[in-house]
Amino acid sequence: DGGITQSPKYLFRKEGQNVTLSCEQNLNHDAMYWYRQDPGQGLRLIYYSQIVNDFQKGDIAEGYSVSREKKESFPLTVTSAQKNPTAFYLCASNRGTVLAKNIQYFGAGTRLSVL
Amino acid sequence: LAKTTQPISMDSYEGQEVNITCSHNNIATNDYITWYQQFPSQGPRFIIQGYKTKVTNEVASLFIPADRKSSTLSLPRVSLSDTAVYYCLVAPGVNFNKFYFGSGTKLNVKP
Repeated sequence: DGGITQSPKYLFRKEGQNVTLSCEQNLNHDAMYWYRQDPGQGLRLIYYSQIVNDFQKGDIAEGYSVSREKKESFPLTVTSAQKNPTAFYLCASNRGTVLAKNIQYFGAGTRLSVL
Repeated sequence: LAKTTQPISMDSYEGQEVNITCSHNNIATNDYITWYQQFPSQGPRFIIQGYKTKVTNEVASLFIPADRKSSTLSLPRVSLSDTAVYYCLVAPGVNFNKFYFGSGTKLNVKP
């Protein structure tokens, strides 16, 4: 089955700890994204990557870091600098071509809570 | 970047047709209109996309007037399982990455 896999589904972070959220896709998509969603709110863009070894900050990048060493993988690290990390995190991808018309495909999400 | 305005919430009953309108006054010539559906604790999923006039698929219809400053998502004969948040996005078809999802429209379908 083709799709986007996020893990873990639930994650707990202690004060001062860095945690990494995994996102893997087997859709052969070039572009990948990380969003944060707070209760009752829409999605806010954290980081995005159009190609391997390149990524750009979104609207709320402070306290987060990413890497894009492989086309299939785009992990997100929530650092200790992110003082309010409790949220639902969503990873997405799209093909980035004319035919794809920027339609995004999402993973099932990771819910992060602070202990 | 064209921002969108949608109603915060809507109520409907099973079997009714539901129309959700989105305003996007600053839409650009190369922008497409895309609608997504999100259930609680799940990622959004693509419903339908259009550029102008009317688009229909097995799930919904999308109506876009000639001036393209608004669009209407039409869900025929909704069921309880259509209770979800619906997002309207406006963005270029290619070479664009900073999508704006907004707060969406919470559709509550009642029995």
